[in-house]
Amino acid sequence: KAGVTQTPRYLIKTRGQQVTLSCSPISGHRSVSWYQQTPGQGLQFLFEYFSETQRNKGNFPGRFSGRQFSNSRSEMNVSTLELGDSALYLCASSLAPLEGKTQYFGPGTRLLVL
Amino acid sequence: AQKVTQAQTEISVVEKEDVTLDCVYETRDTTYYLFWYKQPPSGELVFLIRRNSFDEQNEISGRYSWNFQKSTSSFNFTITASQVVDSAVYFCALSEVPSNTGKLIFGQGTTLQVKP
Repeated sequence: KAGVTQTPRYLIKTRGQQVTLSCSPISGHRSVSWYQQTPGQGLQFLFEYFSETQRNKGNFPGRFSGRQFSNSRSEMNVSTLELGDSALYLCASSLAPLEGKTQYFGPGTRLLVL
Repeated sequence: AQKVTQAQTEISVVEKEDVTLDCVYETRDTTYYLFWYKQPPSGELVFLIRRNSFDEQNEISGRYSWNFQKSTSSFNFTITASQVVDSAVYFCALSEVPSNTGKLIFGQGTTLQVKP
C-alpha cells in the first residue's frame, strides 16, 4: 500500500506570495492532519480534516488555511508569506479522526521564504 | 495543560552501545495515548509504537523496547546494541482522548547519533 504523498517536496517563495501544498493520504484513510516543523518551535499542529470538514485547528493565524476533498486528498494554503513561515510542512493520515488513532506521515514539503 | 518533555537534546553513542531516550508527559486526562516516532534525515516521521494509558506493559520489538510508567508519567525508549542506521531524531508524542481530536502534542525531539 502506498504511503502518504506530499507535493511539491521543495518550494522557494518570496515574502508576500501565497503557496498551496498538497497531501494524498494512504488509501482508505479519511482523516488528514497537518503539522509545521521549525527548529525553534518544533512540531506544531496546524489543522485536521475529516469528511471534508475541519475538525480542529491549531494556534496559527488566519493566513493558514486548508481543505479536504471528497477523495480525502487535502491541501493547505498559506497566504501573504512571511519569513517565519519557512518550515517543513508534514501531512499525516489516519483511518478515522478518533483520538489515539495512529497517524502516518508523509515526507513533507520544505518551504523556504526569501 | 498537556505537555511532552524530552530533556535530552542530543545523544551520541558508539555502535553496539545501549541507549535510552527519555520522555515525560503531562496531562490531566486519565485516558490518553503515547507514541514514538523516528525522523531520519529525509524528514519523514516514521511510526514506531503506540501505547494507551491503560496498558502499562513494557513492550519489546527486536532491538527496541519501551518502558511506560504512569506513576512517573514517563514513556522511555531503549535501543539495545545501537547501529549507525539508528541515527535520527526521535519524537515522543501525546494524544488526549477527551479532546476528541487526532491532534498530536510532540516533545522537542532527541537527536541520536550512533558512531561506527
